[in-house]
Amino acid sequence: TQLLEQSPQFLSIQEGENLTVYCNSSSVFSSLQWYRQEPGEGPVLLVTVVTGGEVKKLKRLTFQFGDARKDSSLHITAAQTGDTGLYLCAGERDNQGGKLIFGQGTELSVKP
Amino acid sequence: GAGVSQSPRYKVAKRGQDVALRCDPISGHVSLFWYQQALGQGPEFLTYFQNEAQLDKSGLPSDRFFAERPEGSVSTLKIQRTQQEDSAVYLCASSLEGYGYTFGSGTRLTVV
Repeated sequence: TQLLEQSPQFLSIQEGENLTVYCNSSSVFSSLQWYRQEPGEGPVLLVTVVTGGEVKKLKRLTFQFGDARKDSSLHITAAQTGDTGLYLCAGERDNQGGKLIFGQGTELSVKP
Repeated sequence: GAGVSQSPRYKVAKRGQDVALRCDPISGHVSLFWYQQALGQGPEFLTYFQNEAQLDKSGLPSDRFFAERPEGSVSTLKIQRTQQEDSAVYLCASSLEGYGYTFGSGTRLTVV
């Protein structure tokens, strides 16, 4: 049973299009992190959200944490070929020592 | 060093062989985590250290997996009698308390 359901699993779009990736759970998380991973490398932290309803922006990327802290979304505006990669959401629960629970990942391909 | 260093980057092991994977965390990072990432999946938690203490090893798949961090810095993940299902990328991450994680590039283990 996957604790964090990420969708879609695969996404192929043209440069300039917008997209949204979703991360859903029935469990409450104390914080949620988004990572980007390129082939042959480890995940790189993009953002951490900790407050229900929180919205954070990182250039063309907008991250939102659900009010109940059970879900999150990543929206990319005007995607570029450099955005291609594996996007992972990861949740941290209280009293778990910082252990992260990852979603399955969204493989994004942005074509020129 | 500036980042988390893992070695070797690639390891091919014959089934039944023992392997040792090394992680050099960022200097001063108290917390160290090991994750296993199967092809096309998100990372899955294996074990967690705070300094030299192994506080959580609930994710280790079997008693063939063993991790240590004797002096609170470098950590080694050992897999005894490797099986084909152990083939995966093994990621190490370190963090300062309350801050985001930095992942290494991982060790890709292939058991043949």
